[in-house]
Amino acid sequence: DSGVTQTPKHLITATGQRVTLRCSPRSGDLSVYWYQQSLDQGLQFLIQYYNGEERAKGNILERFSAQQFPDLHSELNLSSLELGDSALYFCASSANELFWDRGDYNEQFFGPGTRLTVL
Amino acid sequence: AQTVTQSQPEMSVQEAETVTLSCTYDTSESDYYLFWYKQPPSRQMILVIRQEAYKQQNATENRFSVNFQKAAKSFSLKISDSQLGDAAMYFCAYQEAGGTSYGKLTFGQGTILTVHP
Repeated sequence: DSGVTQTPKHLITATGQRVTLRCSPRSGDLSVYWYQQSLDQGLQFLIQYYNGEERAKGNILERFSAQQFPDLHSELNLSSLELGDSALYFCASSANELFWDRGDYNEQFFGPGTRLTVL
Repeated sequence: AQTVTQSQPEMSVQEAETVTLSCTYDTSESDYYLFWYKQPPSRQMILVIRQEAYKQQNATENRFSVNFQKAAKSFSLKISDSQLGDAAMYFCAYQEAGGTSYGKLTFGQGTILTVHP
């Protein structure tokens, strides 16, 4: 158990719908990352939040948005869903300080993922 | 942009034998991390081993070791004394150290490892 929780485990919905995936990071971790794993795109970084602020963006579609709340949990919102959005969505967390120095390392701990199926 | 390439979609090994998984990457950075992650059928992402680019010594974790060739931008994983529980998808990953991209992981396409009894 990594200490990162994601809900729900499975989600089945229809095209055009909107869903929200939730992630609770490990206690004390300030950074939350979202990754998408699909057959077409492989495992790719979507977005990172640090202490409530967006820090880095990857190949995240405009139909997708995320936020991190004051209690540090994060939500990934997917709207106007298409068949191609079917994937496993991972959340990861780390302590991740803003500034890095040699010798620093903050492991990313992955949640169990949310399996999204769009029919 | 950094890229990570795993050229072996599938590999197989006999139990108790040794297998090596390959990975190459492209970056213009001098400081970074490289990782191997294991994803068993449960889909959980498990960190196997980490290598800091500024360290010349290859990382080792029990039966898992890496061959890090910085100039060649190559990072292979050797699994010794393979066990049935090693069967999984293995991902090579890159992480920039510092800078605005610090934190995000860039993954290769993955290698499915089958272990035969």
